[in-house]
Amino acid sequence: DVKVTQSSRYLVKRTGEKVFLECVQDMDHENMFWYRQDPGLGLRLIYFSYDVKMKEKGDIPEGYSVSREKKERFSLILESASTNQTSMYLCASIAGGLWTPMNTEAFFGQGTRLTVV
Amino acid sequence: GQQLNQSPQSMFIQEGEDVSMNCTSSSIFNTWLWYKQDPGEGPVLLIALYKAGELTSNGRLTAQFGITRKDSFLNISASIPSDVGIYFCAGQRGAQKLVFGQGTRLTINP
Repeated sequence: DVKVTQSSRYLVKRTGEKVFLECVQDMDHENMFWYRQDPGLGLRLIYFSYDVKMKEKGDIPEGYSVSREKKERFSLILESASTNQTSMYLCASIAGGLWTPMNTEAFFGQGTRLTVV
Repeated sequence: GQQLNQSPQSMFIQEGEDVSMNCTSSSIFNTWLWYKQDPGEGPVLLIALYKAGELTSNGRLTAQFGITRKDSFLNISASIPSDVGIYFCAGQRGAQKLVFGQGTRLTINP
């Protein structure tokens, strides 16, 4: 089974702190994603990466950056946390490559609930 | 950014009732996916649909890929307490982009 692991289930940080959210997948997937989930808004894409050191902005990248130095690890960085970044953050990975149903399924981590005070 | 229109946003039903939810979009997708999220967990894939008109079942769940490729529905028959959670539809054009609906929160009264 594919396993996507997020480093923390719950985090509480202070306004202005630099925050790192880590995500690791164990299936050699090419594509990794960071979403934030807010009530009534569903999942919104922050950033995604389709290869090591490659990244693209999603729909709501402002206030975030990402790092993918190794294929299995995708980090989300809040340079200066603000209270409006309090949310549930979800990491996902997709195999990619030639199209097959297996290669397009997204696997999610368990989520990190971040509170900025 | 684009999002899908998912409805209803919430449902309160009695155990044993059937459930129906749907998603619509102004854009065409190649794949429609339905995920369920249990409290405190990440979403898990329930059903994937790959062809327009396709009707697929997974136990008590049935989903269809609309013929126009712009919509999909999910039905749950004879609901049970463990069906509680948030259900998300997602449209996909390739491996790099999933677009999600706002979610349907299902609550079941025993």
